[in-house]
Parts: sequence; structure tokens; C-alpha cells
Amino acid sequence: GAVVSQHPSWVICKSGTSVKIECRSLDFQATTMFWYRQFPKQSLMLMATSNEGSKATYEQGVEKDKFLINHASLTLSTLTVTSAHPEDSSFYICSARKAVYEQYFGPGTRLTVT
Amino acid sequence: GENVEQHPSTLSVQEGDSAVIKCTYSDSASNYFPWYKQELGKRPQLIIDIRSNVGEKKDQRIAVTLNKTAKHFSLHITETQPEDSAVYFCAANRRRSGGGADGLTFGKGTHLIIQP
Repeated sequence: GAVVSQHPSWVICKSGTSVKIECRSLDFQATTMFWYRQFPKQSLMLMATSNEGSKATYEQGVEKDKFLINHASLTLSTLTVTSAHPEDSSFYICSARKAVYEQYFGPGTRLTVT
Repeated sequence: GENVEQHPSTLSVQEGDSAVIKCTYSDSASNYFPWYKQELGKRPQLIIDIRSNVGEKKDQRIAVTLNKTAKHFSLHITETQPEDSAVYFCAANRRRSGGGADGLTFGKGTHLIIQP
């Protein structure tokens, strides 16, 4: 199988603070992971592509200084939401690529900024 | 960039009937088209996918068809059951110049309701 975990599953933070979300591939190595954001009752939107050992590639309109991505190992990528604001409240989902056409989603992290 | 349109946004069918969800994509370079089922608050689950070198793929009650010329692909669910009720998303991969890794562009989703 292919299992991807995320931690935490949900987090509440105060406006202006930073939050780190971890995405781990548990039983395979992933040189590439993707970060998506999903607002309530909306679709998933690709935020960035995380590449092990190199800088992330951000989609147009996504602030790289606000959403810091680090892919330090073949099984771990982290997304840090810096200086979070209420409009950053969302469901953040990662996926890890196992093969060219295989990617597996994590369970998601629900972020609420108060 | 890639744009994926999905219709309908809501689909209600009687249990046992068939359901069809349609998507179109804009980037002719896309070559991978997965379909996901997502239940409330859960991760998307891959239910079927198709690559651009085939026109149709079937897995029990679920089938996907692809028309590369028209840039259309569709999900067909036969003999629908109450547990099929969920939100379904189509997606297309985003090809990058230089052969970079492919993220997915998703359609807006279809809320499928199976009426008992």
C-alpha cells in the first residue's frame, strides 16, 4: 500500500502566529509532494510542489514567504503558514508522489485562525 | 495553465440508476485524468484514472471515458447504491516545461445524491 499521514489533523491558532503542518509518506519514499488547499464546499487548489533537496515551486498567486515549504527528507515535507490570518483558515491536504502517475493524499489538516 | 470544468455541480439519481459526470480540460499536454471521491472532512480517494493513450477504462460499476480530440472525459457509475453518495472530483495533471513533476488541477466537484 501507500500511506500518507499529516500532523496535526486540526489546529486552532491566534491571528499573527505561525503554524507548521507535517506531511509524511510512511511506506514509500517521495521525492515530490504537493500541497493543496480546500475551502469549505470548494475544490482542491494546488498551492505548491515540494521537491526533496530543492526549493518548492509555488503556483501563481500563492505567497512563498507566507507559505514556507521544506522538504528535508524523502519522507517528510512541512508547510508553515506564517503570520496566519482568519482568511488562511482552510483544509490543507498534501499528497505524495510514489510513481509518475501515482500520488496519495494525506488525511488533511483543518486550520482555524481566530 | 490548465483549466478543468466539471458538470453538473449536483446530481440526484434513484438508487439503481446510472450517474454520469462530465469534465473538460484545456491543456492538450495533460495526459493523466484521475477521478476522486471525497466524503465530508475526509481525504480524496482515487476511484479510477485514465491515461491519454486509452479511450476507456472500467472497474466493476465504474467506468471512465476519454476523448482527447474534444478534451472531454466522463465518469460513469452504474447500479448506484446509497454509499455512492459523496462529492466527486475530476482532475487533470499539469505538465511543466522541462518535465517537472505533475500536480493536479481539479474540477469544482459534483455532489452526487443517491435517492433510496
